Amino acid sequence: NAGVTQTPKFRILKIGQSMTLQCTQDMNHNYMYWYRQDPGMGLKLIYYSVGAGITDKGEVPNGYNVSRSTTEDFPLRLELAAPSQTSVYFCASSPNSGGAYEQYFGPGTRLTVT
Amino acid sequence: AQTVTQSQPEMSVQEAETVTLSCTYDTSENNYYLFWYKQPPSRQMILVIRQEAYKQQNATENRFSVNFQKAAKSFSLKISDSQLGDTAMYFCAFLQKGSNDYKLSFGAGTTVTVRA
Repeated sequence: NAGVTQTPKFRILKIGQSMTLQCTQDMNHNYMYWYRQDPGMGLKLIYYSVGAGITDKGEVPNGYNVSRSTTEDFPLRLELAAPSQTSVYFCASSPNSGGAYEQYFGPGTRLTVT
Repeated sequence: AQTVTQSQPEMSVQEAETVTLSCTYDTSENNYYLFWYKQPPSRQMILVIRQEAYKQQNATENRFSVNFQKAAKSFSLKISDSQLGDTAMYFCAFLQKGSNDYKLSFGAGTTVTVRA
């Protein structure tokens, strides 16, 4: 099982550029999440989705957009990249919400904005 | 928002010894989950252990065990018989039951280095 996959693994952007981070899961999970991890910090929730067509903001949504057209895919869009968006981005999924359901994480995308 | 505090940025332990990582959290609620996640150098986040707040018995997973003190809002992780593969960053995380039960709140992490 591939689980949660993310592409690309690394990316360098110039200020003002845009890009999409891809996330795909093959576990038929309803819930999907995007987190960012800044150096020396824990993960912070950017956006989440409870199913295809439904998304909502997390703790730090500014500067990002998401869509969920299928159960499998949950891309994260950065518009007008800024140095403050330099971070490691993790996608995760879970079959449902609640602590009884483990969130499975992808391997992360390291993004540098210069 | 819930606050999760890990006061130890780094810990070092000799192989086969025991190390304990501390975590405190702040909440006014009674129903929640607590987790410890491991992030090795590969960056993959791996669930180590979870504890439901209403369960008094401390969770155990092989060499990993927790000491859950609900009144003190403390949730420490003990790694026994440390192995080189335990070298990683460890994150404590909190999840509230109810309407926000999708939102994991993470601490800043503790880097554990196991020495040969």
